[in-house]
Amino acid sequence: SQKIEQNSEALNIQEGKTATLTCNYTNYSPAYLQWYRQDPGRGPVFLLLIRENEKEKRKERLKVTFDTTLKQSLFHITASQPADSATYLCALGTGSTLGRLYFGRGTQLTVWP
Amino acid sequence: NAGVMQNPRHLVRRRGQEARLRCSPMKGHSHVYWYRQLPEEGLKFMVYLQKENIIDESGMPKERFSAEFPKEGPSILRIQQVVRGDSAAYFCASSPPAGGSYNEQFFGPGTRLTVL
Repeated sequence: SQKIEQNSEALNIQEGKTATLTCNYTNYSPAYLQWYRQDPGRGPVFLLLIRENEKEKRKERLKVTFDTTLKQSLFHITASQPADSATYLCALGTGSTLGRLYFGRGTQLTVWP
Repeated sequence: NAGVMQNPRHLVRRRGQEARLRCSPMKGHSHVYWYRQLPEEGLKFMVYLQKENIIDESGMPKERFSAEFPKEGPSILRIQQVVRGDSAAYFCASSPPAGGSYNEQFFGPGTRLTVL
């Protein structure tokens, strides 16, 4: 069956450290992968997109990697801040299901001072 | 430029009533997606629409649920004869016409439906 699994437990880290979130998938052939942030009571907000032929993407303190052999994406937040505390969602898009995104359940990140 | 707008933000219905959820996409966006989020679960795709067309409704239950995106006006997700299991947060997202399936999706704040 198809699965998208993110860090099963919530992630708690100290301010200034690097947070690393994982997204593993099974029985998908994604053309691209996106990461979103969701705060309580709000809709997801797009952060980064990486395509199947790309290994790494960066945006300010954010970095995402994509390994289609391991079927895994890693999402890094460097120099984390309490304001980074939120739930982070990974979402896959496939070439055969235009526009449709398949979401993981998310990882709840807490950055403490 | 206003973001994706959804209304109402909260909706309470009794079992058997109808729920109508509205979504106005961002200006210039012609693609609309509806997702449902149950407590402690991820977002589940329901339907993908373009103006006056349903592109993909494979995630939508066959009965009681329907969606439209008319030429004028917002997209509507309609749930007839609601049941308690329909209680969830319903999110709408939109994307611009260019760029194909690689577009980021811009999400609205969601409508939280509670069925009593």
